[in-house]
Amino acid sequence: DAGITQSPRYKITETGRQVTLMCHQTWSHSYMFWYRQDLGHGLRLIYYSAAADITDKGEVPDGYVVSRSKTENFPLTLESATRSQTSVYFCASSRDGNYGYTFGSGTRLTVV
Amino acid sequence: QKEVEQDPGPLSVPEGAIVSLNCTYSNSAFQYFMWYRQYSRKGPELLMYTYSSGNKEDGRFTAQVDKSSKYISLFIRDSQPSDSATYLCAMSEDFNKFYFGSGTKLNVKP
Repeated sequence: DAGITQSPRYKITETGRQVTLMCHQTWSHSYMFWYRQDLGHGLRLIYYSAAADITDKGEVPDGYVVSRSKTENFPLTLESATRSQTSVYFCASSRDGNYGYTFGSGTRLTVV
Repeated sequence: QKEVEQDPGPLSVPEGAIVSLNCTYSNSAFQYFMWYRQYSRKGPELLMYTYSSGNKEDGRFTAQVDKSSKYISLFIRDSQPSDSATYLCAMSEDFNKFYFGSGTKLNVKP
């Protein structure tokens, strides 16, 4: 299916475990982004990527790792999950600066 | 201080009303502005994307940017119950790092 897909939709993990959230887009968009959404904070940028093998930090990168070996995939890894990382995570992509972002449906992560 | 301030609401209006949603910001370098609509448990969807100051209209939606006041607005004409959602503003110096408001929840009553 065309579009941007995130997996899993829901995830429960334990404190200290490593967890990877997946993001896949079919448009060959250059730019991809990871945001987290928390009540009272809105969406906050974690990491973004301008192209394959190019990534940069956003507002709240601590505790997260990203990679982008292929244009269409942009996985987000929590190296050692903490309860403060309980959130809804959204991936987004954009063709270039003249267009807005298209968001995925989100991954709801709970760290217990 | 947050980069972007947005009244969380909720804002409740009758069907057919004109809705005004607003955001203020502190960074005068912001020049890209977006409005998103987000339904419950869904991802945000882009409504409007504007560059620099001025107005942009798309159907029932009008986006306004006043850079001198560091204030942006989204107007919804002839509001419908299907417009009930959370509306998020976002802005950026470049298109790589957008700062989002926390969202305003809108309820349009039939």
